Amino acid sequence: GAVVSQHPSRVICKSGTSVKIECRSLDFQATTMFWYRQFPKQSLMLMATSNEGSKATYEQGVEKDKFLINHASLTLSTLTVTSAHPEDSSFYICSAPSGTSVGSNTGELFFGEGSRLTVL
Amino acid sequence: AQSVTQLGSHVSVSEGALVLLRCNYSSSVPPYLFWYVQYPNQGLQLLLKYTTGATLVKGINGFEAEFKKSETSFHLTKPSAHMSDAAEYFCAVSEGGGNKLTFGTGTQLKVEL
Repeated sequence: GAVVSQHPSRVICKSGTSVKIECRSLDFQATTMFWYRQFPKQSLMLMATSNEGSKATYEQGVEKDKFLINHASLTLSTLTVTSAHPEDSSFYICSAPSGTSVGSNTGELFFGEGSRLTVL
Repeated sequence: AQSVTQLGSHVSVSEGALVLLRCNYSSSVPPYLFWYVQYPNQGLQLLLKYTTGATLVKGINGFEAEFKKSETSFHLTKPSAHMSDAAEYFCAVSEGGGNKLTFGTGTQLKVEL
C-alpha cells in the first residue's frame, strides 16, 4: 500500500527557533497533502491543506505566518513552525489521499508516522 | 457540516472478550466512514472504511463495523480482544467521499488479562 513518511519523528527546540517537518509520499504522487495537529488525548485537528504548485489552504484559526507550508514537489510537503513557543508543542501528522494522481477518490488517507515537537 | 461523536473516551475489556467501540456521525450528504487505529507515537492506520454498498465492512486484525443509516452509527466491533489491540481508535467521516475528514475525539482501548 501507499506509504507516507515524516521526518523528523521527534524534535526538541528552543523557544524562538524555527522547525521544519517534512512529509513525503514514498511510492505515489500526491498533489494534495493534509497537515494535522494532535493535542494530548485529543483528536486530530486539520490545520491546512497543502497543494502542489499553489498556496496552502488554512483552516480557520490557524496562523499561516506561524505555520508555513510548502508543497515543493509531487512527493514532498513541508511544515515550518516559525518562532516556536512552548504552546506549539504538539504531535503533527501529515497525510495524503489515495488516488490523488488519477482522480479516483475514496477519501482514504495515508498517514505519516507523526512528528512530536517539544519547544523548551 | 459533518461531525463525529465517539461515546466513551476509554474502554476496557478482558482479553478474549467482545470489543465494541461506538461512533455516531452527522452528515448532510451520504457519508464515507472510517475507523483508524493509532499506536503510541505513531501515525494513524486505516482499519476499515465504508463508502457504498454492503453495510457490514470487514477490516484488518479481525475488526468489522456496520453502517446503520437509520441510527447514524458506525460502531466498531471485534469478537475477541487481543492484547495487541490496545491502542487509540478514531472514527472519521467525510461527506460524499471528499478528502477532508472530520475525526472523533478517539477511544482509548485497554485490554486486560
